[in-house]
Amino acid sequence: KAGVTQTPRYLIKTRGQQVTLSCSPISGHRSVSWYQQTPGQGLQFLFEYFSETQRNKGNFPGRFSGRQFSNSRSEMNVSTLELGDSALYLCASSPGPAGQETQYFGPGTRLLVL
Amino acid sequence: DQQVKQNSPSLSVQEGRISILNCDYTNSMFDYFLWYKKYPAEGPTFLISISSIKDKNEDGRFTVFLNKSAKHLSLHIVPSQPGDSAVYFCAANYDNQGGKLIFGQGTELSVKP
Repeated sequence: KAGVTQTPRYLIKTRGQQVTLSCSPISGHRSVSWYQQTPGQGLQFLFEYFSETQRNKGNFPGRFSGRQFSNSRSEMNVSTLELGDSALYLCASSPGPAGQETQYFGPGTRLLVL
Repeated sequence: DQQVKQNSPSLSVQEGRISILNCDYTNSMFDYFLWYKKYPAEGPTFLISISSIKDKNEDGRFTVFLNKSAKHLSLHIVPSQPGDSAVYFCAANYDNQGGKLIFGQGTELSVKP
């Protein structure tokens, strides 16, 4: 079974631009979560989607948004990029929404904001 | 407020010996714990998990121990292999938080031949 895929793998943007990242979960998985990893803050939860609905949201500004499609694929969008948004963005999928579900991560998208 | 803490940023172990990675948590509502292994510029790879109703779970060379009264969990790798060298993260969750995993800061394990 194919794993979680994320596109693009690398991205360079300038301040003020916006960016859209894509995530395809493991086949059959209906829950997708997004995380940001930076050297200073570590791995931090952004949001989770299940059945096209946002179930949970982390402590990030409204510039960070996401959505999920009927095929469980998910996108996240960051508008008005800031230098501090440079990070590795990770997507994880799990079969369902329950708390005790193992999340499987994709390879990540490395975003550099100049 | 860091709810999950890995107080050792690094650990060095000889090949064939036991590696013990530690993790402490503060939120008594956590009921599911996971360990992930991560290489630079890659996503975390799931290793092993444990529910709060258990105190031990084994999978091959990996064993996780949970001490709820101490709010402490540990990952034992026996025997350690050079390919185990990576950053290890513990993560915690509780049921009504859905997919929100809270991660520790990671411990970099180096296994020397």
